[in-house]
Amino acid sequence: DIQLTQSPSFLSASVGDRVTITCRASQGISSYLAWYQQKPGKAPKLLIYAASTLQSGVPSRFSGSGSGTEFTLTINSLQPEDCATYYCQQLNSYALFTFGPGTKVDIK
Amino acid sequence: EVQLVESGGGLVQPGGSLRLSCAASGFTFNSYEMNWVRQAPGKGLEWVSYISSSGSTIYYADSVRGRFSISRDNAKNSLYLQMNSLRAEDTAVYYCARIRSSGRRFDYWGQGTLVTVSS
Repeated sequence: DIQLTQSPSFLSASVGDRVTITCRASQGISSYLAWYQQKPGKAPKLLIYAASTLQSGVPSRFSGSGSGTEFTLTINSLQPEDCATYYCQQLNSYALFTFGPGTKVDIK
Repeated sequence: EVQLVESGGGLVQPGGSLRLSCAASGFTFNSYEMNWVRQAPGKGLEWVSYISSSGSTIYYADSVRGRFSISRDNAKNSLYLQMNSLRAEDTAVYYCARIRSSGRRFDYWGQGTLVTVSS
């Protein structure tokens, strides 16, 4: 089974900061990686798919990169509404769509 | 507008059964693969099950295989999850989610339905 790890598990940053979250896969998953944002009490929202493609309607301050086993989600100029938990997900294997453990982003 | 609306959650005793439904609208349901994803209170997301657009291919997470059964009725634009032999650790919010196969992503999610397994 493919395992995903995320780092850090929690981060606190100031409005306007650039924030980077890393997701690592236990084996290569090509570019079949998605990123989701989840706010308390709400369903997850798709931000990035195919590792680097921005979902329609998502602000351009969000970007993704990587392939194989290492991926990053970057938020340029963090905004107050970006307070949320962010999850990566591998979609390389249709038999098991693993999620990462999540990264909670807070505003200082 | 794409909408996914889950229903059927509630309180059930350990060992009991429950059937969740997900009503889809705003898109051609029979063209899309679907999933169930759950989230235990205060925990992360856990993929539960996948079903192909025709219903011919199905996958389950190890944690639910043999106890849960996913199905769909394309004539009714509905997705189902039959949950048997429920355990306390199945307590979670259950989401249905659509897969967009081009680019592979879960592009739309329902609002979730809470299942609580407790005596």
